[in-house]
Amino acid sequence: DAGVIQSPRHEVTEMGQEVTLRCKPISGHDYLFWYRQTMMRGLELLIYFNNNVPIDDSGMPEDRFSAKMPNASFSTLKIQPSEPRDSAVYFCASSLRDTQPQHFGDGTRLSIL
Amino acid sequence: GIQVEQSPPDLILQEGANSTLRCNFSDSVNNLQWFHQNPWGQLINLFYIPSGTKQNGRLSATTVATERYSLLYISSSQTTDSGVYFCAVLNQAGTALIFGKGTTLSVSS
Repeated sequence: DAGVIQSPRHEVTEMGQEVTLRCKPISGHDYLFWYRQTMMRGLELLIYFNNNVPIDDSGMPEDRFSAKMPNASFSTLKIQPSEPRDSAVYFCASSLRDTQPQHFGDGTRLSIL
Repeated sequence: GIQVEQSPPDLILQEGANSTLRCNFSDSVNNLQWFHQNPWGQLINLFYIPSGTKQNGRLSATTVATERYSLLYISSSQTTDSGVYFCAVLNQAGTALIFGKGTTLSVSS
């Protein structure tokens, strides 16, 4: 079975550029999560969706961050404009239901110069 | 919110040794997962264990929900076990995983 698929695996871009991270959840999973991992703060939830609807975006750091889920098999996380402090590993995860185990993609390692 | 504390923060083992990693959490949880983050950064699901005991090969885990802790046992450790082990619990809303800071394991041959 295909797991959660994220792209790109690595992204290096200059400050001020728009960055788009992509995620395909496991088929049939109703919940999709975006997490960010940094050395300072560890792994933190940014936003999650249930049946394509954003439910809790309280973890999104600033208005520069936005996330969408146009259909059940695709989600994007955008940063515009990007800043060096956005450098981190961004993980997407999905789960069948809210209390079921979350399965993580391989992550996108983002570097903003 | 729920606090998740893992111990020890760092662990160095010789190949073949056994180890126990601990996760304490401050409130009742709906879900608890153990992950291994390998040197390539991938988060590998080890166990989904809100309560009870499970085993998978050389790894086993026990969660005592009433006492708010979970243990991960690694037996006959191998160099490929190196990495960071995270415990994560579901918050009271039952959605976002709250991660501990992890235990960094180094296994040498």
